[in-house]
Amino acid sequence: GDSVTQMEGPVTLSEEAFLTINCTYTATGYPSLFWYVQYPGEGLQLLLKATKADDKGSNKGFEATYRKETTSFHLEKGSVQVSDSAVYFCALNRDDKIIFGKGTRLHILP
Amino acid sequence: EPEVTQTPSHQVTQMGQEVILRCVPISNHLYFYWYRQILGQKVEFLVSFYNNEISEKSEIFDDQFSVERPDGSNFTLKIRSTKLEDSAMYFCASIEMGKGRVETQYFGPGTRLLVL
Repeated sequence: GDSVTQMEGPVTLSEEAFLTINCTYTATGYPSLFWYVQYPGEGLQLLLKATKADDKGSNKGFEATYRKETTSFHLEKGSVQVSDSAVYFCALNRDDKIIFGKGTRLHILP
Repeated sequence: EPEVTQTPSHQVTQMGQEVILRCVPISNHLYFYWYRQILGQKVEFLVSFYNNEISEKSEIFDDQFSVERPDGSNFTLKIRSTKLEDSAMYFCASIEMGKGRVETQYFGPGTRLLVL
């Protein structure tokens, strides 16, 4: 079945560092891909999405590009802030239900 | 911006008790979902609901679980006889259909259920 694999956490970075969180997927066809973020004590928020190959989703300085050749959707940000500390979930849409990766916890140190 | 709301935010219950988790989806949305996140694990699909009936359910969604849309706004998840392993964060989500292929699911803030 469809699945999402993302890098294990936690990831700890200093403020202003470059961030990459790897995500690969296994699916038939070309599902839409998402990154959701969960801030401490809060629910899931959609961070960005891409609906077809080569699309780039972006929001709040985060970017991810839908790469069908490598079945990847890596999340990047050029300069992270302390406020970016959260758990990040890569996900895909299959028949209108979301299949999530395990999540990657990100800690940003001031 | 419209949002999905859930009540209560936290619930503590004794094993074997019934609990009802409530959700108010975004008003013009037509598909509704429940997901579960056991502490430290991934978010898992439980059930989807459309036109007053279950569209799809996962293997987790056994006979102890039921969903209902009792009126035009609420969407509930009932666990008939809670078990310790039902302790989790439960998320409601909704999606708008009918405007082409709209796939963004909007999630509520979650209800943290603790079964003792």
